[in-house]
Amino acid sequence: LAKTTQPISMDSYEGQEVNITCSHNNIATNDYITWYQQFPSQGPRFIIQGYKTKVTNEVASLFIPADRKSSTLSLPRVSLSDTAVYYCLVVGGFQKLVFGTGTRLLVSP
Amino acid sequence: DTGVSQDPRHKITKRGQNVTFRCDPISEHNRLYWYRQTLGQGPEFLTYFQNEAQLEKSRLLSDRFSAERPKGSFSTLEIQRTEQGDSAMYLCASSFSGAENYGYTFGSGTRLTVV
Repeated sequence: LAKTTQPISMDSYEGQEVNITCSHNNIATNDYITWYQQFPSQGPRFIIQGYKTKVTNEVASLFIPADRKSSTLSLPRVSLSDTAVYYCLVVGGFQKLVFGTGTRLLVSP
Repeated sequence: DTGVSQDPRHKITKRGQNVTFRCDPISEHNRLYWYRQTLGQGPEFLTYFQNEAQLEKSRLLSDRFSAERPKGSFSTLEIQRTEQGDSAMYLCASSFSGAENYGYTFGSGTRLTVV
């Protein structure tokens, strides 16, 4: 399983765009990148997943460069309710999810 | 279907007692996972089932832990002779094999406090 590295914490203000970058230098050909969000006292929630280039859904965008050694989760115009822990994971085929410590995002008014 | 349900949400027990948690996955999901999460850490994998078969167990799952999924539907996680170090959030998740691209669905967890 490819190890991921992401910032421990980030701060932002309401209405700003937040970009959380994750590095995964040892990603394998068949691996894909997935992000989860977790609020206190809740289980993680799937946000977005991608293999290469750009993926966008109603919640976020995921940018993956050609070498796939990193990825960036982009949250447009964050609100206070986006305060949470964000986990970057690399998963290949069927493998169990392996979580790191994630990035704690704090959105302030 | 309202997602993955876990019961109870909170459990306080005295050291040495046995506890059992229940997880009801999304009905179409044939895979079910148990994770444990302590404060400030990401969830740690404990075990998973495909249908009723337990296919993998983490080394974190000591002999005091046992999980079952008797009919391939709900699952139970039992901890015998609880220790203070067992205090954590126990999370259950489910997925459908072949559809991992859509991610796991987690429940809200059972918070265990051993006093």
